[in-house]
This record gives sequence, C-alpha cells and structure tokens, in this order.
Amino acid sequence: ETGVTQTPRHLVMGMTNKKSLKCEQHLGHNAMYWYKQSAKKPLELMFVYNFKEQTENNSVPSRFSPECPNSSHLFLHLHTLQPEDSALYLCASSQNLVGGQFFGPGTRLTVL
Amino acid sequence: DQQVKQNSPSLSVQEGRISILNCDYTNSMFDYFLWYKKYPAEGPTFLISISSIKDKNEDGRFTVFLNKSAKHLSLHIVPSQPGDSAVYFCAADSTQGGSEKLVFGKGTKLTVNP
Repeated sequence: ETGVTQTPRHLVMGMTNKKSLKCEQHLGHNAMYWYKQSAKKPLELMFVYNFKEQTENNSVPSRFSPECPNSSHLFLHLHTLQPEDSALYLCASSQNLVGGQFFGPGTRLTVL
Repeated sequence: DQQVKQNSPSLSVQEGRISILNCDYTNSMFDYFLWYKKYPAEGPTFLISISSIKDKNEDGRFTVFLNKSAKHLSLHIVPSQPGDSAVYFCAADSTQGGSEKLVFGKGTKLTVNP
C-alpha cells in the first residue's frame, strides 16, 4: 500500500458508543494530522503529531482522543459523541512544507 | 474570523478555456500557500504551492499567482479539462510557527463543461 490510508471509510455510531478511527501513512513522514470537515465549513485542524508527540490540540472536546503509537500510525478514539460531530474526518501526513500535506480518503462519520 | 477566504463557492467554465480560482487571506504572517484539489469521496490532493518570496509558480497547466500587498492569490488552469471538475481548497501557513499548521478556505467547486 502506498500513501495515506484510513479505516473505516464509513462509520455510523450512537451517542453512547465507543469507536476508533485509524490512519496509516506509508510515506516515511514524521508528522501526522487529524482534520474535521463539516458541510459548508473550512477544513478544521484538530490535532498535530510530530515524531509521535502531540504538538497541537486545536481546542478539541475531550470526547475526541488521539493516539499516535509511532510515526506511521494515528488513531482517533471517539466516545459519547454528539450528532453535530457528524462530519468527514481526514488524516494527513507531511515530511515538511515542501509539497504540503498528503491526505487520506477520510472517514465519513454519522452520529445518531 | 476566517483567515483564508474563498469567496466564490462555485465556478463553471467551458472546456479549453481558462479557470481562475481566487483566494484572499488576512494574516500577514502567512508565507507559504498551497492549493488542494478534492474529488467526492476522496481526501484532498496537493496540487501546487508558492512561497511568499515568489509571485508566480507554474506547473504544467496550473499556475499560482501571489500578490502579497493585496493578500491575494489565484490559481489559473489553462486549458481547463472536464477532469479538472472538483472542489479546490486554498491553504496558508506561517513557516515561522514550526507546527506546520495549515489554515484552509471553504473551497470553490469548479465545473468544467465539455
């Protein structure tokens, strides 16, 4: 596999469920990101990890919990979400700013 | 307060003509700008970038122009092709910050008609 992969591609969950989104990058990058894209809104940066260390938490509610066990893998653990959290969640990675960030296909999350 | 603005939510052009997508920013600390293209059900794909030390960068059919005094950049696609139909996002960053955080616009949906 090449590039940035995300699983699952689609997820429907209830407000009391606990689920996790997974991201894997095969590009040898050192930084990984979680973004949220809601309808008619700009992409919102949620978390940044650089060499497995979290360097940015963009005021994200604690019901979203990221985990970065190594430079190639990034998780987003979800619990007690709200319907307004329904969105497309995108993972990205980068080596540096030359060429920008490479994005995964996203996970379409629906919270009922 | 939106720091990166794409004021046209959609644009429609004929195949073979030029597509011009515009982007404005407010933060004078931004010094690196990128354009991403996104097809439905896929993540954004990097297209082209420009550093603030330049005012133009060209890559094949795609050219990005930067006007620092106006805090404005534009993406020109010529000639436009039906496969260029997608949502185009402008993004900006301040490389002095060190966190590689990109700020995105809301996107412009480009439709190229055959």
